[in-house]
Amino acid sequence: DQQVKQNSPSLSVQEGRISILNCDYTNSMFDYFLWYKKYPAEGPTFLISISSIKDKNEDGRFTVFLNKSAKHLSLHIVPSQPGDSAVYFCAANPKTSYDKVIFGPGTSLSVIP
Amino acid sequence: NAGVTQTPKFRVLKTGQSMTLLCAQDMNHEYMYWYRQDPGMGLRLIHYSVGEGTTAKGEVPDGYNVSRLKKQNFLLGLESAAPSQTSVYFCASSLRYEQYFGPGTRLTVT
Repeated sequence: DQQVKQNSPSLSVQEGRISILNCDYTNSMFDYFLWYKKYPAEGPTFLISISSIKDKNEDGRFTVFLNKSAKHLSLHIVPSQPGDSAVYFCAANPKTSYDKVIFGPGTSLSVIP
Repeated sequence: NAGVTQTPKFRVLKTGQSMTLLCAQDMNHEYMYWYRQDPGMGLRLIHYSVGEGTTAKGEVPDGYNVSRLKKQNFLLGLESAAPSQTSVYFCASSLRYEQYFGPGTRLTVT
């Protein structure tokens, strides 16, 4: 049973519009959430994170929203750029358990010029 | 800083052969991890280490062994490769939550 779910395997968005990537989790012990971005033939790179004490974290064009009651988080990219085309992984950790991370299956984002 | 490096980048093995994948990091991180990535499955943790001389099993440890004799290196071994181990393998290291990944090793077992 997947503890971290990304129910959209792929997403296409026009350049300049908003991209919204969703992630759901089942384990209420998860306390810290991260998004990673992966280009083909490269390793994932850290993008943005959020702690459960917050409901929003922003970094430039990227904003992550956390709804603890719904066990749902989302990544918003505004405006979307062709260089944002990649696979995005959601990941979740229990509190201070750096080694207990669980990754979602990923969503492939295509930003169309 | 090189960050996290992995060798080799590609490898083809026959069933039953053995090999070792090497991961090195120059960030003085305590935590190191080995993952495999398969289509539609995301990243699954094979083994991890919380410090020099320690190792622990992750989600999918069967068929793999690891060693961490030096803080900067984390080795992943396949003693008798099977076609089910065809995958892309990623090594990562971390100080806390954020992990830094290597470029990956694409392994094919025929």
